[in-house]
Amino acid sequence: RKEVEQDPGPFNVPEGATVAFNCTYSNSASQSFFWYRQDCRKEPKLLMSVYSSGNEDGRFTAQLNRASQYISLLIRDSKLSDSATYLCAVNSAASGTYKYIFGTGTRLKVLA
Amino acid sequence: SAVISQKPSRDICQRGTSLTIQCQVDSQVTMMFWYRQQPGQSLTLIATANQGSEATYESGFVIDKFPISRPNLTFSTLTVSNMSPEDSSIYLCSVVGGSNQPQHFGDGTRLSIL
Repeated sequence: RKEVEQDPGPFNVPEGATVAFNCTYSNSASQSFFWYRQDCRKEPKLLMSVYSSGNEDGRFTAQLNRASQYISLLIRDSKLSDSATYLCAVNSAASGTYKYIFGTGTRLKVLA
Repeated sequence: SAVISQKPSRDICQRGTSLTIQCQVDSQVTMMFWYRQQPGQSLTLIATANQGSEATYESGFVIDKFPISRPNLTFSTLTVSNMSPEDSSIYLCSVVGGSNQPQHFGDGTRLSIL
């Protein structure tokens, strides 16, 4: 089993739709979680950190479910400009070391 | 977040040559990493650049092929040695400011080998 798994998609949704992605992780000791957005031929950019209590930034909501070991990203009222690949990242830092594991990404296409 | 400058942004190189990529950060950071991402593929960690000591390489990557330097807390270089067409990829540096902080990426070096 991969340490971090995402559905590769693509998710094709109409403008205005709500779409959700999940990302599962295998290491129960994982401490911090993040969502990144990557546009074609660009570097990944941090979209949001994921906090234990869940957090929201405009149309984007991130949640963490430690019991089931997954994080989620919800995008409401999708825009054409949301079309991108969304990567999750999990940090299993221990004893002063850093071990970031990235998922393979989920492609989202928002259609007019 | 830190401003990360990566140079060159792109290059086209001849087979058998070497290229050094620079990553400069505008503030001191705890960790620096080097990744490779081939078209349509996920990020692959090459190594962790350790300040003042040898880099920590991931499985499948060796120092002779990808020597890395990190002389201080704001700068690192990755050299791609004896290049072949299989090394054509985007190379990305990333930095972490502290424990449980997110990584931030440079804008990448697009490398093509003829």
